[in-house]
Amino acid sequence: DGGITQSPKYLFRKEGQNVTLSCEQNLNHDAMYWYRQDPGQGLRLIYYSQIVNDFQKGDIAEGYSVSREKKESFPLTVTSAQKNPTAFYLCASSGQVIYGYTFGSGTRLTVV
Amino acid sequence: AQSVTQLDSHVSVSEGTPVLLRCNYSSSYSPSLFWYVQHPNKGLQLLLKYTSAATLVKGINGFEAEFKKSETSFHLTKPSAHMSDAAEYFCVVSARGGYNKLIFGAGTRLAVHP
Repeated sequence: DGGITQSPKYLFRKEGQNVTLSCEQNLNHDAMYWYRQDPGQGLRLIYYSQIVNDFQKGDIAEGYSVSREKKESFPLTVTSAQKNPTAFYLCASSGQVIYGYTFGSGTRLTVV
Repeated sequence: AQSVTQLDSHVSVSEGTPVLLRCNYSSSYSPSLFWYVQHPNKGLQLLLKYTSAATLVKGINGFEAEFKKSETSFHLTKPSAHMSDAAEYFCVVSARGGYNKLIFGAGTRLAVHP
């Protein structure tokens, strides 16, 4: 079945550590996105990529980095520069926007 | 610029009663509109979408929404709520721009009581 897979489901980070969240899709979608979700704040766009080897900052990119070396994969690294990384992270992909986005099941990151 | 406003942050209904989640949008062109549902600690699932065909759109799990251009609204309804409908619902509008951008509303949390 086609879909989008995020791993791990839960992730714990120590202060000062970088961690990488995985996002893989087999939908043959060109565009991929990373969102952060905090309680009561809806979804906020971190980074997006419309095509392989290209990506753009979203609204809250500081403290995050991404790569898009393959069409299927769009990993997100939460760096030590992100001062408040505890949140729920959602990855999405899309073909034409009229069909909407397909979302992964999310990764919950907690700083310990 | 495009925007979307969900008029209620929380809605509470009894099981078996109708559900109404309200959404207004702003767009300078004919947009695509969507409703997504999110259960706790899950990703977002597409409920239904409007893409300039029929104005009454039927989705999954008995939900439907009506596109009203004159009122710039896209309210989500269901005739009879089920306990499993308790979740957060997002109204979403497509944005014209340099990429396939969707603009998300702030969300409405639906509680369903026995």
